[in-house]
This record gives sequence, C-alpha cells and structure tokens, in this order.
Amino acid sequence: QVQLVQSGAEVKKPGSSVKVSCKTSGGTFSTSAISWVRQAPGQGLEWMGGIIPIFGGGGYPQKFKGRVTISADKSTSTSYMELSSLTYDDTAVYYCARVHSSGWFYFDYWGQGTAVTVSS
Amino acid sequence: EIVLTQSPGTLSLSPGERATLSCRASQSGSGSNLAWYQQKPGQAPRLLIYGASSRATGIPDRFSGSGSGTDFTLTISRLEPEDFAVYYCQQYGRSPYTFGQGTKLEIK
Repeated sequence: QVQLVQSGAEVKKPGSSVKVSCKTSGGTFSTSAISWVRQAPGQGLEWMGGIIPIFGGGGYPQKFKGRVTISADKSTSTSYMELSSLTYDDTAVYYCARVHSSGWFYFDYWGQGTAVTVSS
Repeated sequence: EIVLTQSPGTLSLSPGERATLSCRASQSGSGSNLAWYQQKPGQAPRLLIYGASSRATGIPDRFSGSGSGTDFTLTISRLEPEDFAVYYCQQYGRSPYTFGQGTKLEIK
C-alpha cells in the first residue's frame, strides 16, 4: 500500500521561502516520479513540476521555473518542494502526488496536503 | 499550454440520477491522455479515470469516461450520496500538465 505523508502547515512572510516534505512508503521510491500540485483557496489544481528520484533534478512548467525546486532523498524516500520569493498569491494547499507507474503524468496516490499561508 | 474548460460549473442532481460532465481541450495534443479526479472538501483528489476511459483501481463501474482529441465526458450512471463532490479533468499528453477548473456536483 503506497502512502505519501506530508509535513505540517506553515505560515510564512512575503519574500521568504517554504520547504515542504513528502515521505513515501510502499512502492519503489527511486523509480517512481513524484509531482507537486497546489490548490489556492476555493480554486482549482495547478501542476508545479516533478522529479524522478533515480535521475535527480526536477522538471518545471515555465510559470514556476526559477522559483520552485523539487528534490528527492532516496535514503529516506522523501521528496521536497521549495518555493521562494513568496507572495500572498502563493497561499494554497500543496500536494505531493505519485505519478502512475506507466510513466504518464497522471497521479494515482496523493499526500494529505500541506497548507501554506503567506501573511505579514 | 493546453487549456481545459469544464462544463457545467455546477450540476444539481438527485441521488439515482445520471450525471454527465464535460471537459474540452483548447488543442488536440492531449490525445486520449486525459484523467478525471474526484475531490471532496478537505481531502486530496482521488483518481477515477485515466486514458480517457480506463477506471482506476477500486473505482465503481457506475463511473465511466469517454472521448478523445478535444472533447471528453465523465458519466456517473446512478448517483450515490457519496458522489457529490468536485470533479476535475487533467491532460497529461503535453507539458505543462493542466487541470480544468472543476465541476461541482451538488445535491438537488
């Protein structure tokens, strides 16, 4: 049984950074791609990028390039998402999600979500 | 970027009725690479359908998906009380992988 467990809620000031963790149990972490998806309050879902731990390095949509860094620690089966230069618009719930084993980027297992609030 | 437009925004139906949700892509690059998710308040999304028409593990057969190219449909044949939620489509044929804005299925 695959489970993704995320770190707890965060409150950050504008201009600062946040780093959220996602620990995977079950499955094969190194070869399973992990993506991050966020959801602003009352809004839809937005893909932020992903990583395949065995290869390292993240892939990001243009909107987030230069501001988000996704990493993975194979020794602890944990993925991290760091978002810098926070603004109020970054207030959202951040989810990690496992990419299906086929390699196609749809998501069959999700973390419980981490609420990030940007407030002065 | 492929934009997905879902309709209607809100669908009001009663248990036992049939629900039909639509997802239209701005370009045909997604092929059949479309997924549907269900999300309930305070919960993470749950994968229902992938490949436009394949049910994910454990999903009841009252959920079905169809379509290809730019027009896709999620059908719930007979609504159960637990089906009232928000539904999102997602294309994974071309990066960036994008979601629709959601359809809220509410009890009439």
